[in-house]
Amino acid sequence: DIQMTQSPSTLSAAVGDRVTITCRASQSISSQLAWFQQRPGKAPRLLISRASNLQSGVPSRFSGSGSGTEFTLTINSLQPDDSATYYCQQYNSYSRTFGQGTKVEIK
Amino acid sequence: EVQLVESGGGLVRPGGSLRLSCAASGFTFSSFGMSWVRQAPGKGLEWVSTISGSDDRTDYADSVKGRFSISRDNSKNTLFLQLNSLRAEDTAIYYCAKGDCGGHCYLNDYWGQGTLVTVSS
Repeated sequence: DIQMTQSPSTLSAAVGDRVTITCRASQSISSQLAWFQQRPGKAPRLLISRASNLQSGVPSRFSGSGSGTEFTLTINSLQPDDSATYYCQQYNSYSRTFGQGTKVEIK
Repeated sequence: EVQLVESGGGLVRPGGSLRLSCAASGFTFSSFGMSWVRQAPGKGLEWVSTISGSDDRTDYADSVKGRFSISRDNSKNTLFLQLNSLRAEDTAIYYCAKGDCGGHCYLNDYWGQGTLVTVSS
């Protein structure tokens, strides 16, 4: 199975900061990488597909990049509403594995 | 607007069974693959099962293969997950999710609010 490793596990940043989350795959997944946002007690929300394709309705301060085994999610100008846990998911292989999550807290 | 509403969760004893349902609306249900994804309390996300929109092909995670069964009723816009031989480690919120394609989708673009399954004696 392909393993997905996110870093950091938790981060704390101030409103207006730029935040970067990294996701590494144990083998190449091309660009078959998605990012999800999950607020406490809510369902996951798809933010980005194909590593960098922003979903309709997602604020433009979110962006994704990468291919192969290393990917990043960037939030420019962090907002209070962005307080959530973020998950990457590879959908290149049968196992459709998720990263362990990165909790973003607002200082 | 896509809506997915799960039901059927509850408390069940180890070895017991449960049937989850997901009522879908806001899209042509029969044209899309559908999945179940679960989340143990305080833990991350785990894909459970997928069924195609086009040919009812099914896939299962190794952790549930042989115990869980996914199905759909396109006439009622409803997705199902039959859970048998339940174990404590199956305790989780079970989310219904819409695939982003008509066939056997590996990516899910809309998710329901989930239904909690608790396996305990």
